[in-house]
Amino acid sequence: DAGITQSPRHKVTETGTPVTLRCHQTENHRYMYWYRQDPGHGLRLIHYSYGVKDTDKGEVSDGYSVSRSKTEDFLLTLESATSSQTSVYFCAISDLPGEKLFFGSGTQLSVL
Amino acid sequence: DQQVKQNSPSLSVQEGRISILNCDYTNSMFDYFLWYKKYPAEGPTFLISISSIKDKNEDGRFTVFLNKSAKHLSLHIVPSQPGDSAVYFCAASAPNQGAQKLVFGQGTRLTINP
Repeated sequence: DAGITQSPRHKVTETGTPVTLRCHQTENHRYMYWYRQDPGHGLRLIHYSYGVKDTDKGEVSDGYSVSRSKTEDFLLTLESATSSQTSVYFCAISDLPGEKLFFGSGTQLSVL
Repeated sequence: DQQVKQNSPSLSVQEGRISILNCDYTNSMFDYFLWYKKYPAEGPTFLISISSIKDKNEDGRFTVFLNKSAKHLSLHIVPSQPGDSAVYFCAASAPNQGAQKLVFGQGTRLTINP
């Protein structure tokens, strides 16, 4: 299995609070992604990174920001959490863009 | 704008029979297709892929078929086993679209009944 660790695994927070999810990889892959999984929508891309300090938006980026200061870490921040951001968040990595992705175990986030 | 669609949210199949999961896409630029399998409380794992230059790819019990003219791909599992019960996602990618080019379908929950 690819070395991907997501933390925390579960989080419950209140509307309006900031939340940061962390993804850590030990594979030295260049590309890192954040997806959210919701019923009826499958996996949707939030943000991705193609190198240290190089990031770009995905299809559902509103309300989210990311940072990548080291190859191995990719942070996803909800500046002011809303109930619509209740979801399961997956980090993924790949060596080549758009090819086979390796996923972390996910973070279940509940915004009350 | 759902470029990759899995129109069956769920599928139930008897153990030992064939499971057929379907996926349709709208973007004719897609040239690489993948299937992922997901168990509860785990991340998706890669299952099998196919390039648009082929119409079939086989790996053990799993075969993916691609019909480019119909913009349709399917995953066949034969024989189906209880451990195949999971959610299956199809995904597609197109060239020259940068790192974000992998697009996923909504998923199909497969249940294998003993």
